[in-house]
Amino acid sequence: ETGVTQTPRHLVMGMTNKKSLKCEQHLGHNAMYWYKQSAKKPLELMFVYSLEERVENNSVPSRFSPECPNSSHLFLHLHTLQPEDSALYLCASSQDRTYSNQPQHFGDGTRLSIL
Amino acid sequence: AQSVAQPEDQVNVAEGNPLTVKCTYSVSGNPYLFWYVQYPNRGLQFLLKYITGDNLVKGSYGFEAEFNKSQTSFHLKKPSALVSDSALYFCAVRDSTGGFKTIFGAGTRLFVKA
Repeated sequence: ETGVTQTPRHLVMGMTNKKSLKCEQHLGHNAMYWYKQSAKKPLELMFVYSLEERVENNSVPSRFSPECPNSSHLFLHLHTLQPEDSALYLCASSQDRTYSNQPQHFGDGTRLSIL
Repeated sequence: AQSVAQPEDQVNVAEGNPLTVKCTYSVSGNPYLFWYVQYPNRGLQFLLKYITGDNLVKGSYGFEAEFNKSQTSFHLKKPSALVSDSALYFCAVRDSTGGFKTIFGAGTRLFVKA
């Protein structure tokens, strides 16, 4: 039981499709994150939201569009993706900036495959 | 700039033997250091952290880590490895001055042989 739930767990889509990844946390945290995990590469931070405000955007292509409607939910909208975007997308949450010594709690990820 | 290095892609150890997974870091201020573990088809799970105080930190599943400021290292250890410890291990660092950015190492795959 991680407290962070991601759906769907697997997603296969064509390059012209539009889809969304969903993340939900039940831990009362104020910050939420999207990471990309590719084989044999370090974890790449994509976006950070704190109290529903985007505070970090790590030069992510515009074909990835995050949305944080409240502190418990985070979405990643996908549009016109490329084959190199195939990866495991991880959502995480944590306490806010004041408690930067607190660990992040991760969901089990969405395995995305682009055809 | 912050950075984390895990010099070994894979560590092999026999069950019952002690294990060490190495991590070195670089950060401008005082570091907050973390270890996470990832099992197949799962997300990262928090194992332990160093904030301040005792250099030896104890965490979940019998793991511990030793903080060495002079060597800027935070090696993960366990006295007696289990086959079920086989997984991918990530070291991570965060700057104590605040901010949301945690830098993760590339990961070390631990293989424990029965």
